[in-house]
Amino acid sequence: NAGVMQNPRHLVRRRGQEARLRCSPMKGHSHVYWYRQLPEEGLKFMVYLQKENIIDESGMPKERFSAEFPKEGPSILRIQQVVRGDSAAYFCASSPFDRDLFYEQYFGPGTRLTVT
Amino acid sequence: AQTVTQSQPEMSVQEAETVTLSCTYDTSENNYYLFWYKQPPSRQMILVIRQEAYKQQNATENRFSVNFQKAAKSFSLKISDSQLGDTAMYFCAFMKGSSGGGADGLTFGKGTHLIIQP
Repeated sequence: NAGVMQNPRHLVRRRGQEARLRCSPMKGHSHVYWYRQLPEEGLKFMVYLQKENIIDESGMPKERFSAEFPKEGPSILRIQQVVRGDSAAYFCASSPFDRDLFYEQYFGPGTRLTVT
Repeated sequence: AQTVTQSQPEMSVQEAETVTLSCTYDTSENNYYLFWYKQPPSRQMILVIRQEAYKQQNATENRFSVNFQKAAKSFSLKISDSQLGDTAMYFCAFMKGSSGGGADGLTFGKGTHLIIQP
């Protein structure tokens, strides 16, 4: 069973460009979470989605950031008009929809975004 | 809102020694879960151990064990017989319980950089 997959692993964007980060959850997982890790910091929760539905976006910046998890295909975290402060590692995690296992989140390897 | 505090930015011990990493948290929730994650230089987040708040017994996974003190809101990680491969960042994390299946977002501490010396 393949783990959580994220691509690209490294992404370089110039200020003002758009960044698209993709996450494919583990097989059978219907819930996806996005986290951001700034240098020398812990991970910060951004958004929690299930297929075609945003459950909790309380950690998402109000502007320029959006996330989706369509019925088919990977989850996408989109950052418009990137700024240097967006440089960070972005992690995706997934979990199953199972009352006995609902607390288990499995992490992907992360995407390191560098804004120049 | 929940907060997680790790007061040790960095720790260094000799191989085969025992080391304890501290973590405290603050919450008004009664139903929650606590985790320790390891992040080696590869940056992959690896779940080390988890504890359900409703369980009084401390969780144990091989060389890793926790000391969960619910009243004190303390959740320390003990690593016995430390190995060079244990060198990594260690993050303590909190998640409130959810009644609807799935899970909630994790709240992480800032991490402790653990170095195991040969």
